[in-house]
Amino acid sequence: KAGVTQTPRYLIKTRGQQVTLSCSPISGHRSVSWYQQTPGQGLQFLFEYFSETQRNKGNFPGRFSGRQFSNSRSEMNVSTLELGDSALYLCASSLQGASEKLFFGSGTQLSVL
Amino acid sequence: DQQVKQNSPSLSVQEGRISILNCDYTNSMFDYFLWYKKYPAEGPTFLISISSIKDKNEDGRFTVFLNKSAKHLSLHIVPSQPGDSAVYFCAAVTNSGYALNFGKGTSLLVTP
Repeated sequence: KAGVTQTPRYLIKTRGQQVTLSCSPISGHRSVSWYQQTPGQGLQFLFEYFSETQRNKGNFPGRFSGRQFSNSRSEMNVSTLELGDSALYLCASSLQGASEKLFFGSGTQLSVL
Repeated sequence: DQQVKQNSPSLSVQEGRISILNCDYTNSMFDYFLWYKKYPAEGPTFLISISSIKDKNEDGRFTVFLNKSAKHLSLHIVPSQPGDSAVYFCAAVTNSGYALNFGKGTSLLVTP
């Protein structure tokens, strides 16, 4: 069974631009959640999608948004990029929800210059 | 507000010895705890978990201990191997929670 796939692996953007990250969950997993990992803060929950609906959201500004498609694939968008958005963005999938055992992708490393 | 704390950013252990990684939490409603291991350039992978109805769970070389009264859990790796060198994250969730709460991680280095 294929794991969680995230694309692209690396991105370099400049301040003010916007970016879209993609995540394909494990087949059969309906929940996709996104985390931001920074050296000083560990993994912080961004949001979770289930059956194309955002079920929960972490404490991030509205510049961070996402969506989920009918095949459970998910995208995350960050608009008006700031230097502080430089981080590793991790997608995780699970069968039912973001509060159970999660299976993570390798992440997208975003650098904002 | 960090509800899960890993107060040791790094730990170095010799091969063959025991590695003990610690995690403290502040929310007494947490009832499910997980440990993840992360290698550079890879996503975290699930290692072991424990429910609050237990105080110990073993899986091969890995054992997690939970002390609810102290709001403390620890991961023991015996014996430690160089391949165990990674960042270890502790995570916790309540039974009504909607996301895992992660600590900041402890970087373990196992030296030959």
